[in-house]
Amino acid sequence: GQNIDQPTEMTATEGAIVQINCTYQTSGFNGLFWYQQHAGEAPTFLSYNVLDGLEEKGRFSSFLSRSKGYSYLLLKELQMKDSASYLCAVKDSNYQLIWGAGTKLIIKP
Amino acid sequence: IAGITQAPTSQILAAGRRMTLRCTQDMRHNAMYWYRQDLGLGLRLIHYSNTAGTTGKGEVPDGYSVSRANTDDFPLTLASAVPSQTSVYFCASSDGLAGDNEQFFGPGTRLTVL
Repeated sequence: GQNIDQPTEMTATEGAIVQINCTYQTSGFNGLFWYQQHAGEAPTFLSYNVLDGLEEKGRFSSFLSRSKGYSYLLLKELQMKDSASYLCAVKDSNYQLIWGAGTKLIIKP
Repeated sequence: IAGITQAPTSQILAAGRRMTLRCTQDMRHNAMYWYRQDLGLGLRLIHYSNTAGTTGKGEVPDGYSVSRANTDDFPLTLASAVPSQTSVYFCASSDGLAGDNEQFFGPGTRLTVL
């Protein structure tokens, strides 16, 4: 079967750095996406990785290792507004997204 | 309209009733999707449409039907609602399937079936 695993919840301090991990087992691989979802709102796109390595976009970076079936999202200089759920999703061989359950990130002052 | 709209925002429905959730996008995207999101679970694909006139079944299609008569609209119908269909429903669209085509999401419909 297809499976995406991420930690259920993480806590970090304002101004710090946090790394959210995602491991996957899917039928085929056509890219990995990270989305942010604030409580009661829709998911919004953060990043896309299809090749191994690090993609940096401002305070957010995303890393991919296809051989390990592993990705992480790195958030730097955490702000209170970063409190949200972070969803990992893999595009499978049918070009459909398979979603993890999400990681709820709690930022403390 | 800018992006994707969904209606209604929320709904309480008696079991056995028929209900249509509406979704409209103005981005001229080819592909559209319906997901449900339940606590502790990832987004699960109900139905999708790669282009107007075509539809396909996702991971959890039972009890739901869709149509795609034109590019902009993608309604989801529950023929006879059951309590297990209580969920938050998101409609999404993307310009294409391959590559980095991200999915854009509507604001969601919170449905409670009693």
